[in-house]
Amino acid sequence: GAGVSQSPRYKVAKRGQDVALRCDPISGHVSLFWYQQALGQGPEFLTYFQNEAQLDKSGLPSDRFFAERPEGSVSTLKIQRTQQEDSAVYLCASSSFTDTQYFGPGTRLTVL
Amino acid sequence: GESVGLHLPTLSVQEGDNSIINCAYSNSASDYFIWYKQESGKGPQFIIDIRSNMDKRQGQRVTVLLNKTVKHLSLQIAATQPGDSAVYFCAENIPPRGTGKLIFGQGTTLQVKP
Repeated sequence: GAGVSQSPRYKVAKRGQDVALRCDPISGHVSLFWYQQALGQGPEFLTYFQNEAQLDKSGLPSDRFFAERPEGSVSTLKIQRTQQEDSAVYLCASSSFTDTQYFGPGTRLTVL
Repeated sequence: GESVGLHLPTLSVQEGDNSIINCAYSNSASDYFIWYKQESGKGPQFIIDIRSNMDKRQGQRVTVLLNKTVKHLSLQIAATQPGDSAVYFCAENIPPRGTGKLIFGQGTTLQVKP
């Protein structure tokens, strides 16, 4: 079946612009995660959903970051007033009732 | 060839040799561990996992070893192939189970020489 998909794959934003990153999880997967990966580093946890409920947002770096999953399927990560330090790859992962997380290809965000 | 994980981020091996990638994890309470492979421009790809009640698990050409006493995890790749070239990350899940938050290591780059 289809894996996790993310769009856009690449996004260039001017500093101060708002961006929205989309994640389509594997069909039927209850859990959805967002991670941020800086160049040369491992992914870092941002937030976690179980169905439509956001159960953990402890990794969101500031109140400029907001995530939602209103119908328990597709999720959007929104970054307001982007800053250069927001430049990174944003990864989405989903899992069923097991612990194994399957990742999408990521969205590479570049803030100029 | 063998890496010492965080202290030697690149491992270079000859095609056909066995590779060992090491990882020191951070939390003694972690109960689930995963190895991911990440190729350039792609997301992490699941390789193999192991739960804390096991000390060894085998897959196709890969074996994961867990030593909870010293909080050490290793990934062994048999007969390494050029397609194995990538960055390898270990990840740990800290309880409570079900929250799913994974903590990733820094990664080890595996280079396979033909």
